[in-house]
Amino acid sequence: KAGVTQTPRYLIKTRGQQVTLSCSPISGHRSVSWYQQTPGQGLQFLFEYFSETQRNKGNFPGRFSGRQFSNSRSEMNVSTLELGDSALYLCASSGSPHEQFFGPGTRLTVL
Amino acid sequence: DQQVKQNSPSLSVQEGRISILNCDYTNSMFDYFLWYKKYPAEGPTFLISISSIKDKNEDGRFTVFLNKSAKHLSLHIVPSQPGDSAVYFCAASARAGGTSYGKLTFGQGTILTVHP
Repeated sequence: KAGVTQTPRYLIKTRGQQVTLSCSPISGHRSVSWYQQTPGQGLQFLFEYFSETQRNKGNFPGRFSGRQFSNSRSEMNVSTLELGDSALYLCASSGSPHEQFFGPGTRLTVL
Repeated sequence: DQQVKQNSPSLSVQEGRISILNCDYTNSMFDYFLWYKKYPAEGPTFLISISSIKDKNEDGRFTVFLNKSAKHLSLHIVPSQPGDSAVYFCAASARAGGTSYGKLTFGQGTILTVHP
């Protein structure tokens, strides 16, 4: 089975812009979770989607949003980018309650 | 409020010896625990997990121990190999609304270096 794929792998944006990141889960997996990794805060949960519905949400401002499509692919969007949004954004897919398989991540740099 | 803590930022071990990585948690609602290994610029790779109804789980060279009363878990790697050098994260989950385990709460990670 192919693993979790994320596109793009690297992205450079400027403050105030918006960005959309994409995640394709492992075939058959219906749950997709997103995480942000920064040197200061570590790995933090953003949100989880299951069958096109947001099932769980972390403590991030409303500038961070996501959605899931009928084929389980997911996108996350960050609007009005700030310097502090520079991070590695990780997507994980799950086919059963206790497993999460991570993609390689998207490295976002905000200038 | 850091609910999952890995108090050792780094650990250095000789090849062939045991590596012990520790993790403490504060949230009593956590009922499933996982260990991940991560290389720079890659996503975490799942290593081993344990349910709160168990106190030990083994998979090859990796063993995870859970002490619920102390809210403490540890990962033992025996024998350690240079290829084990990476950042190790412990993570915990709790059932949300009776359905979802989709939120993992991670520790800050421990950098393991195994010297040949």
